[in-house]
Amino acid sequence: SSELTQDPAVSVALGQTVRITCQGDSLRSYDASWYQQKPGQAPVLVIYGKNNRPSGIPDRFSGSSSGNTASLTITGPQAEDEADYYCHSRDSSGNRVFGGGTKLTVL
Amino acid sequence: QVQLQESGPGLAKPSGTLSLTCAVSGGSISSSNWWSWVRQPPGKGLEWIGEIYHSGSTNYNPSLKSRVTISVDKSKNQFSLMLSSVTAADTAVYYCARIERTANAFDIWGQGTMVTVSS
Repeated sequence: SSELTQDPAVSVALGQTVRITCQGDSLRSYDASWYQQKPGQAPVLVIYGKNNRPSGIPDRFSGSSSGNTASLTITGPQAEDEADYYCHSRDSSGNRVFGGGTKLTVL
Repeated sequence: QVQLQESGPGLAKPSGTLSLTCAVSGGSISSSNWWSWVRQPPGKGLEWIGEIYHSGSTNYNPSLKSRVTISVDKSKNQFSLMLSSVTAADTAVYYCARIERTANAFDIWGQGTMVTVSS
């Protein structure tokens, strides 16, 4: 089992704001990164560090962290944002680990 | 633009060894980045397997450490994965990825290659 916990599924109405969370004690010490994965495709990095977006990622994606929880916020999600989202960080021993993933449905 | 491409057999026999290679193009494997393998069983989440630096330094997922070897071939600009004693539980899409040094995140991924463990 992963030391990073994500809700298995989240839904949001088109144009509303959605927050996807990732919980783990190690997040008090390490930053999280976030990945979007659409069916049949490789994951894509959308957020890294405190709140950094790679080139080409829309500014509706943002990241934040408080205590043992890292969050990915999508402000005004579009239909194309429907995907699985994974957080990544370190576990309590410093090994890399992914969260279990959250399936985002845009209604 | 750096690109990664996985290659290797799509079928491995139970108790055998799975071997994959990741070719790096558009950049040098000797850059200041780590290079990693990640896998995803059908219908499941991502699992970090391990990583290597061009010096040969490695880190492995503790749950796989006894069966995994990641190596680098700087002359061919590629790195490789060997996973021994495979079972059906090792059936997955295997991705290679670059861990960008300053981002400390997987910023470039290969397309992935499906490996099925079956007799």
